[in-house]
Amino acid sequence: AQSVTQLDSQVPVFEEAPVELRCNYSSSVSVYLFWYVQYPNQGLQLLLKYLSGSTLVKGINGFEAEFNKSQTSFHLRKPSVHISDTAEYFCAVGGRDDKIIFGKGTRLHILP
Amino acid sequence: DGGITQSPKYLFRKEGQNVTLSCEQNLNHDAMYWYRQDPGQGLRLIYYSQIVNDFQKGDIAEGYSVSREKKESFPLTVTSAQKNPTAFYLCASTLFAGTEAFFGQGTRLTVV
Repeated sequence: AQSVTQLDSQVPVFEEAPVELRCNYSSSVSVYLFWYVQYPNQGLQLLLKYLSGSTLVKGINGFEAEFNKSQTSFHLRKPSVHISDTAEYFCAVGGRDDKIIFGKGTRLHILP
Repeated sequence: DGGITQSPKYLFRKEGQNVTLSCEQNLNHDAMYWYRQDPGQGLRLIYYSQIVNDFQKGDIAEGYSVSREKKESFPLTVTSAQKNPTAFYLCASTLFAGTEAFFGQGTRLTVV
């Protein structure tokens, strides 16, 4: 069975500082990995996805993530955050012909 | 524009009543999903459907029911058997199961 663990429920970071949001997964088969962002009272928007190929994936809003198969991780990074990045971020795992499972989310707080 | 439409945005239910949440997509996606979101719990899968006239239970299906009579529609009924239905409900679809999910804007259900 697939599962996703987001290691931090909240991450405070100063504006213009770098940030990393951590995600580990478990799966017995090849996986697809995703990061989504959610603003208050809205649905989720895809930031980036890993399906195959290059392990470094670039997404929208300057975010990127690296797939590490040996460590079963898919951490999200941004070199310089802005106040507009304040949101909740979800890591998710899927697989061909399978359901998508989400982590519990990480709230990113940008400090002025 | 293609997308997923959830209605209503806000819904109030009296104790003991069944209510149905609507989810329609015009993306021609095969798979559709219902998730429940509670603070600090992430997104928990209620039901998903990979094809018309077929659906599978997710992790928290008790007290909920679904149907998939048309490819574009996947309504969720919250029955009186669901003891704690107050939550934010999100519908999603994928081109085929396990790939990138597109989300609706959600329905916030409150029991009064």
